[in-house]
Amino acid sequence: AQTVTQSQPEMSVQEAETVTLSCTYDTSENNYYLFWYKQPPSRQMILVIRQEAYKQQNATENRFSVNFQKAAKSFSLKISDSQLGDTAMYFCAFMKQPGNQFYFGTGTSLTVIP
Amino acid sequence: DAGVIQSPRHEVTEMGQEVTLRCKPISGHNSLFWYRQTMMRGLELLIYFNNNVPIDDSGMPEDRFSAKMPNASFSTLKIQPSEPRDSAVYFCASSHLSLGPQDEQYFGPGTRLTVT
Repeated sequence: AQTVTQSQPEMSVQEAETVTLSCTYDTSENNYYLFWYKQPPSRQMILVIRQEAYKQQNATENRFSVNFQKAAKSFSLKISDSQLGDTAMYFCAFMKQPGNQFYFGTGTSLTVIP
Repeated sequence: DAGVIQSPRHEVTEMGQEVTLRCKPISGHNSLFWYRQTMMRGLELLIYFNNNVPIDDSGMPEDRFSAKMPNASFSTLKIQPSEPRDSAVYFCASSHLSLGPQDEQYFGPGTRLTVT
């Protein structure tokens, strides 16, 4: 079975600063994908970034980047130049390949302080 | 594309009543997922379908819950009879199952269910 652990239930960051959200996972699979989803107060789940396990290069999407450490089974999300709109719950998710079932972590509630 | 559509957005019902949640996946997607989100348990996968066939329903809490997908563009999640502990936000998500680079799951806006 796959498990995803987010050990930080709540975090806060000053506007314009950088914050890192941690995520670890446990799997015996070799082929898989990892995702970070954002859930703002509107409740809508929005994909932030994804990483293919076979790629060594860390994924980047504008102010969002990941630090993917496959051997350590770690997948952290770094948000640079934090903005008030980044305030949300962030979920880490794992998906093995082949297949399409997601396994979600319990989430980290991030508050950006003006 | 309109995205994943869920209805109703809010549902308030009394204990013992039947509740039916509806979902229309994104056109062309062939996988559909039902999740439940609560403060205590986070985001839980209840059941998912590939090509309208239920693949894994091990997350369905009990026999009071049932889900159907009669065709590629419609799914229902039914709770009968409903109980206060079923109060939660229920999400539907869809994706495209393929052997190539995997598409993400696209979530609907959720249905907030309150059972009194």
